[in-house]
Formats: sequence, C-alpha cells, structure tokens
Amino acid sequence: DVKVTQSSRYLVKRTGEKVFLECVQDMDHENMFWYRQDPGLGLRLIYFSYDVKMKEKGDIPEGYSVSREKKERFSLILESASTNQTSMYLCASSSMGQGNEQFFGPGTRLTVL
Amino acid sequence: SQQGEEDPQALSIQEGENATMNCSYKTSINNLQWYRQNSGRGLVHLILIRSNEREKHSGRLRVTLDTSKKSSSLLITASRAADTASYFCVTWLTGGGNKLTFGTGTQLKVEL
Repeated sequence: DVKVTQSSRYLVKRTGEKVFLECVQDMDHENMFWYRQDPGLGLRLIYFSYDVKMKEKGDIPEGYSVSREKKERFSLILESASTNQTSMYLCASSSMGQGNEQFFGPGTRLTVL
Repeated sequence: SQQGEEDPQALSIQEGENATMNCSYKTSINNLQWYRQNSGRGLVHLILIRSNEREKHSGRLRVTLDTSKKSSSLLITASRAADTASYFCVTWLTGGGNKLTFGTGTQLKVEL
C-alpha cells in the first residue's frame, strides 16, 4: 500500500513563528503536493513538485515556501505564521505523469494563535 | 466559483438505500475523479473516469460522465454506515498541467 505520512497530526504555533510541515511518501512517486483544506472552500493547492529540487506554485502560494531535497520528502514552510494560516494541511503524492490518482497523508491540523 | 460543484451539499439516507451525488464543472477536462474523506481513513481516491468514457464501475460505485453537459454523477448502491463521509468531485482540466481541482464536497450520512 502507498503510504504518505505527515510529521504531526496536530500543531499549535504562535503568530510570527517559523513552521515546518514534513511529508514523506514511500512509493517512489515523482509528484508531491501540498494543499490546505478549509470549510466551504474545499482543497486548495499551495505548491507542488514534480521532481527533486523542482517546485511550482499552486493557487495560494503566498506566505508559504517548500523544499524538496530528496524524492521521498516534501516540506512546507510557513516563514512567519499568521492566524489566517490556521487550517488543515494535506500532503499528497502521485506517480509520474499528469492528472493521476493522488495518495494523501492523514493531514496536519495547524492552529496559529 | 469552484470548477467542480457537487450537489447536494448534504445527503442523509438509510442503510441499504442508494446514494447519488452529482457534479458539474465549467471547462474542458481530461479526466474526472471522485475521492472520499472520512475521519478514519482520510482522503482516498475512489474512481477515475476519462473524458472519452461515459460510465465506469468499481464494486458498489458507478460513475457516469456527460461531457456535453459538463456533469458527472456518483452512485453508491446498497449503502452502508461505513460509507458515511464527504465525497469530492475532482477534475483534471485540459491544459491544467499537474493540477487537480477539488470541489467542496457532498456530505453523505448513512443511518442504521
């Protein structure tokens, strides 16, 4: 089974803190994605990566950055957390190619106070 | 507004009944996928239908796609309490690169 793991299920941070969310997949997938999920807004794509060291902006990249130094790991960074970044963050991966089925991690519920 | 909009937003049925959820989208697609999300298993892919397909089955799931009407439906037959979840219509747009676009979901509740 494909497994996508995220470093924390719940996280509480203060405004202005730097926050790292880690995602690891074990299926040798080329593509990895970071989404945030908010009530009434569905899932919105923050960033994605189609190869090591490669990244592309999604729909809402402002306030976020990403890092992909190894194929299996994709990190989301909040440089200076703000209260409007309180959300559920979901990581996903998919095999090479476009439009393929995505496999999701369990999510990290981040609260910024 | 969302590319994929599900209808209804919420649905409550009795165990054993069939559940039908609809999805409408606005622009041309390469494929359309349905995902399920519940607290136990997170967000899971259910089925993918390509733009040149009209119907697809997987176990108790039946998906139809009408590209002329830009709509899809997901039918779950003989529903079970374990089917209680949110169901998302997800589109891969023509020219959309590597991006999937998620709808806001239908919340299905299956009661015993």
